[in-house]
Amino acid sequence: EAQVTQNPRYLITVTGKKLTVTCSQNMNHEYMSWYRQDPGLGLRQIYYSMNVEVTDKGDVPEGYKVSRKEKRNFPLILESPSPNQTSLYFCASSLRAQLNTEAFFGQGTRLTVV
Amino acid sequence: GEDVEQSLFLSVREGDSSVINCTYTDSSSTYLYWYKQEPGAGLQLLTYIFSNMDMKQDQRLTVLLNKKDKHLSLRIADTQTGDSAIYFCAETSSNTGKLIFGQGTTLQVKP
Repeated sequence: EAQVTQNPRYLITVTGKKLTVTCSQNMNHEYMSWYRQDPGLGLRQIYYSMNVEVTDKGDVPEGYKVSRKEKRNFPLILESPSPNQTSLYFCASSLRAQLNTEAFFGQGTRLTVV
Repeated sequence: GEDVEQSLFLSVREGDSSVINCTYTDSSSTYLYWYKQEPGAGLQLLTYIFSNMDMKQDQRLTVLLNKKDKHLSLRIADTQTGDSAIYFCAETSSNTGKLIFGQGTTLQVKP
């Protein structure tokens, strides 16, 4: 089954403790991205990747890192999480950047930083 | 800059039609989308419309695009309780593939 898998689904952590949210897709997609969803703001792009070893900042990259060492995986790293990073995070993938009509989204990761 | 605006809440009775509206600013957008998010779930692409179209119909869903006014609407006919969800309007930045989302409209369907 074609899917985007995020882990964990829920995470509560403390300020400053490094964490990684994993994202994996099984569709051989080139394009992957991370979004955060906050009430009243919709979804905003954090980082995106056009292909392996190619990543770039989205609209709200501060406090986040990503890597794209393999095509299927696009982890989101919070080196020193802060409470303002409490949010719902979504990973998405599509065959190419220009093919958002076929974008797949993960189920989301709800992160709470205390 | 790029911006997408939606009203935040809509309440309808079961069986009525729902109309969710959206305005956008980027006239170069090639596609405009409607996503549905049910509680605790990810985003589901409901439908999309290419920017050179005025209307697209898919079963109970009708999308209207007024490119001159940069206005997009989603009409759901015969709204059911299962349609209760948050609906996001989005446009795409064709260069980077970024989806630009509105704030989301919460649709409440009363029995």
